[in-house]
Amino acid sequence: KAGVTQTPRYLIKTRGQQVTLSCSPISGHRSVSWYQQTPGQGLQFLFEYFSETQRNKGNFPGRFSGRQFSNSRSEMNVSTLELGDSALYLCASSPYPGPRDTQYFGPGTRLTVL
Amino acid sequence: DQQVKQNSPSLSVQEGRISILNCDYTNSMFDYFLWYKKYPAEGPTFLISISSIKDKNEDGRFTVFLNKSAKHLSLHIVPSQPGDSAVYFCAATDSNYQLIWGAGTKLIIKP
Repeated sequence: KAGVTQTPRYLIKTRGQQVTLSCSPISGHRSVSWYQQTPGQGLQFLFEYFSETQRNKGNFPGRFSGRQFSNSRSEMNVSTLELGDSALYLCASSPYPGPRDTQYFGPGTRLTVL
Repeated sequence: DQQVKQNSPSLSVQEGRISILNCDYTNSMFDYFLWYKKYPAEGPTFLISISSIKDKNEDGRFTVFLNKSAKHLSLHIVPSQPGDSAVYFCAATDSNYQLIWGAGTKLIIKP
């Protein structure tokens, strides 16, 4: 079974631009969560989608948004990029929603904002 | 305010010896705890979990201990192997169903 895939793997943008990241979950998984990882900060929860509905949202500004499609694929968008948005963005999928279920992570998208 | 803290950024252990990774939390509402392992250029992978109704959970070479009164958990790896060299994250959750993650501890197993 194919794992979680994220595209692109690397991205360089400049301040003020916007970016869209994509995540394809494991086949059959309907829950997708997004995390931001910065050095020394661990993973910060962004949001979780299940069956095209946002179930939960972390403490991030409205510039960060996401959506999930009927095939469970998910995208996250960051508008008006800031230097502090430079990070590794990780997507995780699981069969059911909620963090108690084992999450399977993709390799991440490394975003650099110049 | 970090609710989950891994105070050791790195840990070096001799191959074959025991590795002990520590994690402290502040929120008494946390009732489920997980450990994930991360290799460079890969996403984290689930290792082991424990519910607050237990104080110990074992899975092969990996054992997690939970001390609720001290708000402390630890991951023991016995014996340590070179392939265990990775960054280890502990994470906790409460009824909000969000995972709160520690900053990670880089474990280095020396041959």
